[in-house]
Amino acid sequence: DGGITQSPKYLFRKEGQNVTLSCEQNLNHDAMYWYRQDPGQGLRLIYYSQIVNDFQKGDIAEGYSVSREKKESFPLTVTSAQKNPTAFYLCASTPGNRGGGQPQHFGDGTRLSIL
Amino acid sequence: GEDVEQSLFLSVREGDSSVINCTYTDSSSTYLYWYKQEPGAGLQLLTYIFSNMDMKQDQRLTVLLNKKDKHLSLRIADTQTGDSAIYFCAEKVGSYIPTFGRGTSLIVHP
Repeated sequence: DGGITQSPKYLFRKEGQNVTLSCEQNLNHDAMYWYRQDPGQGLRLIYYSQIVNDFQKGDIAEGYSVSREKKESFPLTVTSAQKNPTAFYLCASTPGNRGGGQPQHFGDGTRLSIL
Repeated sequence: GEDVEQSLFLSVREGDSSVINCTYTDSSSTYLYWYKQEPGAGLQLLTYIFSNMDMKQDQRLTVLLNKKDKHLSLRIADTQTGDSAIYFCAEKVGSYIPTFGRGTSLIVHP
């Protein structure tokens, strides 16, 4: 079955450390997204990419970086500049026609905590 | 203020109907979505409605859209304990990325 795989499920970060969250999809979708979820805060957009080798900042990009070298993969790096990284991170994708109503497909998330 | 607003909690008795409400601000919204999130999991699409529709029904789920009041609701008939989850409303305006509400936690008790 096609879907989005996020790994790891749980991740711990030490002070001053960069960590990378993996997101892989086999849906042949063009667009991919990263969201951060905090309790009671809903979803906030970190970065998105509509095509390989191109990505744009979302609402809360500071302290994060991404790459999109392959269509299937959109890894998110949480850098040491992100002072409050503890959250649930969700990756999503869409076929790519932003003008259409195609809903986003979501992975099962990665929970990041500070040691 | 927020673009999409939802109440944070709803508590219902098993077997009753649940109605989760959502208001949005952008009158040019083209699609409106309902997602369900179970603990520790991602968001699962439940249903969505195009802005030229007033109602959409899918088994136990009924979506009502009042464009004049910019109000969207999700009714779950015969609510079961397995329906306990967080429900997110989202709106999409044209080609832009959807905006999500904060989510409504539905608690179903016996």
